[in-house]
Amino acid sequence: DTGVSQDPRHKITKRGQNVTFRCDPISEHNRLYWYRQTLGQGPEFLTYFQNEAQLEKSRLLSDRFSAERPKGSFSTLEIQRTEQGDSAMYLCASRRGATTNEKLFFGSGTQLSVL
Amino acid sequence: QQPVQSPQAVILREGEDAVINCSSSKALYSVHWYRQKHGEAPVFLMILLKGGEQKGHDKISASFNEKKQQSSLYLTASQLSYSGTYFCGTVFGNEKLTFGTGTRLTIIP
Repeated sequence: DTGVSQDPRHKITKRGQNVTFRCDPISEHNRLYWYRQTLGQGPEFLTYFQNEAQLEKSRLLSDRFSAERPKGSFSTLEIQRTEQGDSAMYLCASRRGATTNEKLFFGSGTQLSVL
Repeated sequence: QQPVQSPQAVILREGEDAVINCSSSKALYSVHWYRQKHGEAPVFLMILLKGGEQKGHDKISASFNEKKQQSSLYLTASQLSYSGTYFCGTVFGNEKLTFGTGTRLTIIP
């Protein structure tokens, strides 16, 4: 069990650029979640996958955001035409099954700064 | 839909006790508790299932009152390592976890 890993840890970009983040979940976990967290706030749900299928996407998520999980392993989150309001910590989490009594394992996150 | 936590912040001396509350406006299926230290990922503490409670570890425990749609986290004889921001996470019937507003806990020697 190597844990959930995210890459990069930090990303600084200029407004209007595209960025992509990667998340590698724990290998036997078929549920993968993306959250966004701004300073002083709780993590905000963005989207989640069951294997390669994206089952839910937050209505707050703009069309500039897209996520994939090809082959049900790692996942990528892309933000196109970044805006300063996109600056946040992007957290990935995974768990083995669907039952609500299973805990989430979080990665260390990717801190995005849009200048 | 976001659960509301109270208090927003609390400062304790080492050895004192604290209670953190989490309230929801909707019926809950389960409640999760996580602790997050500055610059780090949230770390799981415990899950409480509908109609019951589960104790986590050390001197941290929790209760789940499904009638009142709320949960409370109890920290007994606090240690310096308990400092951080505590989040409850609620599951309303789908699979996603919705996190609360957070409670920042500071323990001073």
